Amino acid sequence: QSVLTQPPSVSGAPGQRVTISCTGSSSNIGAGYDVHWYQQLPGTAPKLLIYGNINRPSGVPDRFSGSKSDTSASLAITGLQAEDEADYYCQSYDTSLSGWVFGGGTKMTVL
Amino acid sequence: EVQLVESGGGLVQPGGSLRLSCAASGFTFSTYIMNWVRQAPGRGLEWVSYISYSGSRIYYADSVKGRFTISRDNAKNSLYLQMNSLRAEDTAVYYCARALGRDPHYYYYMDVWGKGTTVTVSS
Repeated sequence: QSVLTQPPSVSGAPGQRVTISCTGSSSNIGAGYDVHWYQQLPGTAPKLLIYGNINRPSGVPDRFSGSKSDTSASLAITGLQAEDEADYYCQSYDTSLSGWVFGGGTKMTVL
Repeated sequence: EVQLVESGGGLVQPGGSLRLSCAASGFTFSTYIMNWVRQAPGRGLEWVSYISYSGSRIYYADSVKGRFTISRDNAKNSLYLQMNSLRAEDTAVYYCARALGRDPHYYYYMDVWGKGTTVTVSS
């Protein structure tokens, strides 16, 4: 059981906008720790997608955006493309566990 | 090119040991914090361990504390994970990941990942 809760799956048609939620608690996101997002394409290593809640690394399209509020965070993908089909993970820090934590992951399917 | 290459994975019996290595290149290894992250088959990501620049600060997930030891050799641009008393639930792909972020370490994220090395614990 992950301390950061993500929906197991989301889907959308090409061109649509989808969001993935990441719900935590007062010991992680709610404590003010940053949320980061990773994309894992099938059979590959994770890739950093969003860092520090809202920032995109160089090379990540601006179709991807992040937000954070209270004890949760969200990843939004606009103009959905077939290549976006992947698993997405949020990550933060948890004071109760004294360590970094990941969400359980969300499988994104492009219809 | 910034690169991390893991090695040392394999099949090991329960209770056995294994040492993973991660070779870094393309950046100044000694100036970066490093982590190990694992992913069990069909499961999500799990942070395993953290080591500071010089190795003076080390943290472990509760699931591996007392059994795993992280270390680094900055002269060899290498990160290691010594895994003892292995259990079936340690079966996973182990990733070496470079950490970046604003201090303190609570805000760190992983900006570069290796391709992983597979550890299978089974009799």
